[in-house]
Amino acid sequence: EIVLTQSPATLSLSPGERATLSCRASQSVSSYLAWYQQKPGQAPRLLIYDASNRATGIPARFSGSGSGTDFTLTISSLEPEDFAVYYCQQRSNWPLNTFGPGTKVDIK
Amino acid sequence: EVQLVESGGGLVQPGGSLRLSCAASGFTVSSNYMSWVRQAPGKGLEWVSVIYSGGSTYYADSVKGRFTISRDNSKNTLYLQMNSLRAEDTAVYYCAREGAAGWFDPWGQGTLVTVSS
Repeated sequence: EIVLTQSPATLSLSPGERATLSCRASQSVSSYLAWYQQKPGQAPRLLIYDASNRATGIPARFSGSGSGTDFTLTISSLEPEDFAVYYCQQRSNWPLNTFGPGTKVDIK
Repeated sequence: EVQLVESGGGLVQPGGSLRLSCAASGFTVSSNYMSWVRQAPGKGLEWVSVIYSGGSTYYADSVKGRFTISRDNSKNTLYLQMNSLRAEDTAVYYCAREGAAGWFDPWGQGTLVTVSS
């Protein structure tokens, strides 16, 4: 099983600041990695797929990078609606998808 | 508009059964890979099961032998039959279109399953 580790667990930032979230895989997943955003009481929403491609309707302030075992989600300038939990997901050993434990971005 | 609406959650005793439904609109369930993903209270996301467009099914080890995924093409609806339920199955269950690319989009709003005596 491929294990995903996310860091930090919590990121406390102010609106307008840059957020950098990390996701590390226990073995290479090539570029088969996605990022999701989840707000309280809501379902997750796909942000980034194939490591660096924004999903439909996702603002340009969200960007993804990385390949192999190390990946980054960057939010260039935090908007109030961006404070949420972010999960990474790998599909390298499909159909056995796995998710990371999440990073909470909260208001400082 | 592409939409998924789950139903069927509720309170069930340990050892009991429950069937979840996920009604799709805006696309055809049988032409897509469809998954169930769950989230225990205050915890992260756990993939549960997938059914491919061709009908093949796969399960997480934690539910294998107890849960069954299926679909009704005439109703454009996905199901999850859950038997021998345990306290650790307590979670919000989401259905999601997995798609051939392996990413979950969109998701339903979720339905809460509580396993407790």
